[in-house]
Parts: sequence; structure tokens; C-alpha cells
Amino acid sequence: DTAVSQTPKYLVTQMGNDKSIKCEQNLGHDTMYWYKQDSKKFLKIMFSYNNKELIINETVPNRFSPKSPDKAHLNLHINSLELGDSAVYFCASSQDQGRAFFGQGTRLTVV
Amino acid sequence: DQQVKQNSPSLSVQEGRISILNCDYTNSMFDYFLWYKKYPAEGPTFLISISSIKDKNEDGRFTVFLNKSAKHLSLHIVPSQPGDSAVYFCAASYNFNKFYFGSGTKLNVKP
Repeated sequence: DTAVSQTPKYLVTQMGNDKSIKCEQNLGHDTMYWYKQDSKKFLKIMFSYNNKELIINETVPNRFSPKSPDKAHLNLHINSLELGDSAVYFCASSQDQGRAFFGQGTRLTVV
Repeated sequence: DQQVKQNSPSLSVQEGRISILNCDYTNSMFDYFLWYKKYPAEGPTFLISISSIKDKNEDGRFTVFLNKSAKHLSLHIVPSQPGDSAVYFCAASYNFNKFYFGSGTKLNVKP
């Protein structure tokens, strides 16, 4: 049973398209995150939700919009995709904002 | 502006010997530090953590040392095993607000 699962694992799409990445956790955690691993391999936080409320919103283009329908889900929707959006996106969850459990990552390639 | 830095992108160690992975940080407010391990095509998995009130935490073959005055932490793996070959990320946070990650060090343990 995967604790944090995200789909799809790979996503190849054209510039200008709109796409979504889904994330679900079955750990009963209160907090969920989206991280982006850039070309220099840094993992940078994008968003954090605690009990469906947005608590961290880093300097991310507003083309990126997280949606948390319930505590167990945090989806990431990206509008008007650009080449620079190509990266690996990781979903994660934690209890009481402690150590995070990560999903396997979604490799997004914009062509 | 990277607040957590791992200056060695890679490290190669012989099986049975000690692996020492280093991490430096700039923000003196950080009070909680973690190490994550990442295999290819998988998300990072939690390895070990340390609070700023301690200077050492040990878990089996893994020991994390914290030197607050130098703003430096290190992960020691003794003895190193081929299965330890992975990318190791250092992360830091204050008040569990959000986690700042380093760029990772790729460890190769040779049989």
C-alpha cells in the first residue's frame, strides 16, 4: 500500500497546454505539500496545505493552482505550460508539519 | 538564495568503510534538521533527524552530528553497504514551518 501516491509518473505535453497532477495520501496526515525539483536538483517547496487550508504559497507563477478537495488529496493544476515548467514534481504529506513522506514524483516534460 | 547547501555533489566509498555526508546552512533560526535518502525514480524517504537542542542522534548505522556554531551537520554511515548507494538530501526548518532542502549528494558504495 503506497502511503503517498501521485499520478501520472510521467507527463509529456506541449507548451500552452493545461495539465493536472494528482496526489493522495492514506496516512491520515494533516499537511500536504508540493515540491519542485529543478534542473540543479534542489527541492523547493511550492505549496503547503493543512487541513485543506493553504498555509504556504511560495513565489510560484499563478499559472500553478493547488486544489485540496479533502485532507487526503492535494492536486496541482498548471495552466499554459511553459518550457521552464519541465521538472520533477513531488507531493508529500506530514503530521503536525513534521517529517514529510514523499510520493514517487511526476516527471513533467514540456515540449 | 540557498539556505541549505550540500557542496559535494558526489561521494564514493568502499564497502565497509565510513561514509560522511556534509551539509551547511545559513539561517541560525533553523531548529530541526533531517536527512532523506532517494533512489532513482522514487521519492525521498526519511532517514534520520535531529533537533537543535541536541548535537548527535544515532539510529543503527546512521548518525547525524550537528554543530550549531559552525552551522554544519553531517551524516555518518558506518559501515557503508552497497544498498546505501543513493542520493542523500539534507533539509532544515524552523518551527516546522517549511523545509529547505540541499541539492543532494550522490553516494556510491563500491563492493
